[in-house]
Amino acid sequence: SQKIEQNSEALNIQEGKTATLTCNYTNYSPAYLQWYRQDPGRGPVFLLLIRENEKEKRKERLKVTFDTTLKQSLFHITASQPADSATYLCALDSTGGFKTIFGAGTRLFVKA
Amino acid sequence: SQTIHQWPATLVQPVGSPLSLECTVEGTSNPNLYWYRQAAGRGLQLLFYSVGIGQISSEVPQNLSASRPQDRQFILSSKKLLLSDSGFYLCAWSRPDRGNQPQHFGDGTRLSIL
Repeated sequence: SQKIEQNSEALNIQEGKTATLTCNYTNYSPAYLQWYRQDPGRGPVFLLLIRENEKEKRKERLKVTFDTTLKQSLFHITASQPADSATYLCALDSTGGFKTIFGAGTRLFVKA
Repeated sequence: SQTIHQWPATLVQPVGSPLSLECTVEGTSNPNLYWYRQAAGRGLQLLFYSVGIGQISSEVPQNLSASRPQDRQFILSSKKLLLSDSGFYLCAWSRPDRGNQPQHFGDGTRLSIL
């Protein structure tokens, strides 16, 4: 069955460092991969979308890579700040479908 | 700009009671609408999606149902709640194009069944 794996252990980093979160998937050939941020008690907020034919996409301090051979996406936050502390969800989408599949997310803590 | 409203924010219901959660979207027409449930430490589970008024697709067999009586209104219901229905329920919308569309979420309803 289709499966998305995100590191269930929280990631703790120091302010100013680069945070790198991993999303691995199996039994799936997504056309698009999305990253969302979720704060406690709130709904997820869309951050970035990357297509299968794109290797990298950037938005301000965020960078996403998509390796369809490794079946993996990496999400980077450079110059991290305490305000970046949240849970980050990876989501996969197939062309023509409505069934986006979400990972369980990785909790990020950025210490001042 | 588009906004999505979901209520109530929290709800405590006894087992066997009915349920009605409402979601409305403003600032867009003919959105795709979604209901998800999120269990602690787990990914979002898609429950229902809708591409138009009266059109509902169910993803997971259960005692929940959904309706879309108006273009920008999506309702999640149950006639008799089970303990296993506890969770965080999220409504979302996306533009009416297949794929390639991010979803925009409401702030959810925390449902506790006693």
